[in-house]
Amino acid sequence: GENVEQHPSTLSVQEGDSAVIKCTYSDSASNYFPWYKQELGKRPQLIIDIRSNVGEKKDQRIAVTLNKTAKHFSLHITETQPEDSAVYFCAASKNFNKFYFGSGTKLNVKP
Amino acid sequence: NAGVTQTPKFQVLKTGQSMTLQCAQDMNHNSMYWYRQDPGMGLRLIYYSASEGTTDKGEVPNGYNVSRLNKREFSLRLESAAPSQTSVYFCASRQFSYNEQFFGPGTRLTVL
Repeated sequence: GENVEQHPSTLSVQEGDSAVIKCTYSDSASNYFPWYKQELGKRPQLIIDIRSNVGEKKDQRIAVTLNKTAKHFSLHITETQPEDSAVYFCAASKNFNKFYFGSGTKLNVKP
Repeated sequence: NAGVTQTPKFQVLKTGQSMTLQCAQDMNHNSMYWYRQDPGMGLRLIYYSASEGTTDKGEVPNGYNVSRLNKREFSLRLESAAPSQTSVYFCASRQFSYNEQFFGPGTRLTVL
């Protein structure tokens, strides 16, 4: 099956700085890569996603890049704010059936 | 429009007891999923139902069974609970034509 690895496990940045979280996947047939944000005690919520036919996608302060050759994708958050503090998960899926998640990155944005 | 709902919110079981976790969605979604979330391990797929009438194993199906009762409801059953099944369980649903999975609020299960 698919194996998704996520780094770093914790990330601490100063408010206004950028944050980058990286994931690698093993199955070259995976074609959909979502990112979820989970606040403490809450459910995961989709923040951005990318399909394998696209190299980059941006939504305001959040962007995701995908390198299919190297089988890795990254989440970029610019101008971080304290409300960005949460756990972020990457995931990979082939045709939306099985979803494989990374182990999560706890982001702490210091005011 | 409640989205995805799960019952119960919390449950404590003794080893060997059985229980069913309930999940329902009112968004007319085709696909439904059950995940477990353990500290430091992200979410792992237990079972999924791509459409009404179908179910399939995920990454960690052992010790669980599921029923897609109708398009709205997807239940997860633990026949003989074990301490290793202590976890937070999330149900999710997705419409065919959209990418996003919508998650329920979760069920925190402790097996003693």
